[in-house]
Amino acid sequence: DAGVIQSPRHEVTEMGQEVTLRCKPISGHNSLFWYRQTMMRGLELLIYFNNNVPIDDSGMPEDRFSAKMPNASFSTLKIQPSEPRDSAVYFCASSRRISRAGWSKETQYFGPGTRLLVL
Amino acid sequence: TQLLEQSPQFLSIQEGENLTVYCNSSSVFSSLQWYRQEPGEGPVLLVTVVTGGEVKKLKRLTFQFGDARKDSSLHITAAQPGDTGLYLCAGPGVAAGNKLTFGGGTRVLVKP
Repeated sequence: DAGVIQSPRHEVTEMGQEVTLRCKPISGHNSLFWYRQTMMRGLELLIYFNNNVPIDDSGMPEDRFSAKMPNASFSTLKIQPSEPRDSAVYFCASSRRISRAGWSKETQYFGPGTRLLVL
Repeated sequence: TQLLEQSPQFLSIQEGENLTVYCNSSSVFSSLQWYRQEPGEGPVLLVTVVTGGEVKKLKRLTFQFGDARKDSSLHITAAQPGDTGLYLCAGPGVAAGNKLTFGGGTRVLVKP
């Protein structure tokens, strides 16, 4: 399996520009997560989807951020307009819950991240 | 809000030494996970502990879940440069769903 695929790997843009980050989850996974990582704040969950439906977007910083998952194999995170404080590494992760009698297990698999720098 | 605090934030040791990283919370977690993140990559799951008092071993890594399921530790024996990375603990949120809360991480540097 190719794992979670993110693009672009690096993005440098100017303040005010629109930024779109892309993610292809692992085939067969039904949950998708968008995270942001900075030195100051660590790894923060922005939003996650189950079966393409947004479940919890309480981590989305403000209205400038939006995420979509039009189908099971693709998601986007858009920042419009971008600001210097949005500079961070953005990770996408996917998972699939495995349930048996009496237990369940779910492992999140992370993509390589998109390193965003807003000047 | 469930918080996970990791200590220390940074650890620098020589190859061959032992180290322990801690993950603490005031809340009870149904399970805790440990991830390792190498520079330029995403976190990778190392282990999940689910039972209070549980101890799991992964080669030179030993993971322990506290009896009260509020804390966990990761011990590395005879550390090697390949163990260098950011170690993160994570636990499921209180609300239903598969959301994870991550600790702030411990950055480990093993010098040859």
